[in-house]
Amino acid sequence: AQKVTQAQTEISVVEKEDVTLDCVYETRDTTYYLFWYKQPPSGELVFLIRRNSFDEQNEISGRYSWNFQKSTSSFNFTITASQVVDSAVYFCALGDQGGSEKLVFGKGTKLTVNP
Amino acid sequence: NAGVTQTPKFRVLKTGQSMTLLCAQDMNHEYMYWYRQDPGMGLRLIHYSVGEGTTAKGEVPDGYNVSRLKKQNFLLGLESAAPSQTSVYFCASCMPVRDPYGYTFGSGTRLTVV
Repeated sequence: AQKVTQAQTEISVVEKEDVTLDCVYETRDTTYYLFWYKQPPSGELVFLIRRNSFDEQNEISGRYSWNFQKSTSSFNFTITASQVVDSAVYFCALGDQGGSEKLVFGKGTKLTVNP
Repeated sequence: NAGVTQTPKFRVLKTGQSMTLLCAQDMNHEYMYWYRQDPGMGLRLIHYSVGEGTTAKGEVPDGYNVSRLKKQNFLLGLESAAPSQTSVYFCASCMPVRDPYGYTFGSGTRLTVV
């Protein structure tokens, strides 16, 4: 069965600190997709990244970076020089390969960035 | 484009009442989904549809029914609401293969059952 674990329930940092959000996944599929979504206090879900299991290259987008390691089944998300606007709940998700493109979400990590 | 529109955005129900949540998408997406979000639980799939006229159960389907009579609409029904169904409901759609897991989410419906 597909499973996503985000062990950090809540994280609190001071602005400009770097912070890493952990994501560990379980799947028997050899091909799969991984995702990160952001949910700010306004409640909408904001897509951040989609990564195919064939592509293990790390990705950087501005202050955001993602480290994908198949050997440890992890897909961690780092925010560099955090800002108050980064305060949100972040979800890691795994794509189900049954043909219906369902997503299995982790329980989320609430990040609070204090000024 | 409007994307995915959920109606209503907020609703308070009394236990035992029924209601229907409407999800409408204007992107000609084939697949549609209903997820619920509860504190500390992430998003969990209720029901989904891989095409007009088809529906299937997700992880937490009990107490809900769905219909997809038209490709652009996906309805979620609560026949007899219970306090355990207090949640935020998200609808999503995507076009498989062309854009794998390229979800478009609605803005959510906050439902409270008292």
